Amino acid sequence: DIQMTQSPSSLSASVGDRVTITCRASQGISNYLAWYQQKPGKVPKLLIYAASTLQSGVPSRFSGSGSGTDFTLTISSLQPEDVATYYCQKYNSALTFGGGTKVEIK
Amino acid sequence: EVQLVESGGGLVQPGRSLRLSCAASGFTFDDYAMHWVRQVPGEGLEWVSGISWSSSNIGYADSVKGRFTISRDNAKNSLYVQMNSLRAEDTALYYCVKGNHYDNTGYLDAFDIWGQGTMVTVSS
Repeated sequence: DIQMTQSPSSLSASVGDRVTITCRASQGISNYLAWYQQKPGKVPKLLIYAASTLQSGVPSRFSGSGSGTDFTLTISSLQPEDVATYYCQKYNSALTFGGGTKVEIK
Repeated sequence: EVQLVESGGGLVQPGRSLRLSCAASGFTFDDYAMHWVRQVPGEGLEWVSGISWSSSNIGYADSVKGRFTISRDNAKNSLYVQMNSLRAEDTALYYCVKGNHYDNTGYLDAFDIWGQGTMVTVSS
């Protein structure tokens, strides 16, 4: 089975900082990767699919990149409302989530 | 408004069965794959099972294969999962989830709409 490894598991950054979260697949998955945001007490929200396609309604400060085994989610300017746990998910074969990255404000 | 509403959760003893249901509204149900995803409170997400719009393609996580059965009734805009031989490790919040892409012939997809979830607790 292909494993999805996210890093870091948590981070603390200041408002306005550029934040990068990485997700690594143990084997190539082309661009079959999605990113989700889950705010405390809320259901997950799709941010990005096909590695880099922004879901409708998602702020443009979120972006995704990568292909094959290495992927990144970038928040260009961290906002207070971005406090959440972020998950990557592959969907090329078995659907598997990464372990999550908790983002906090410093 | 696109909406997914789960029901059927509760407290059940190990080894017993439970059937979860999901009522969909606000979109053309039979145009999309559907899924169940679970989450232990405070922990990460785990995909459980998915079904294509036509029910011709179905998949399960290894952790539930042989015990859970997913199904859908497009005439009733409803998704189901029959959970048998339940174990303590099946305790979680179960989400009904919609696939992102229209007319996907399979079930492999990102998830764009999530229900609020129904809690399943397996304990004696």
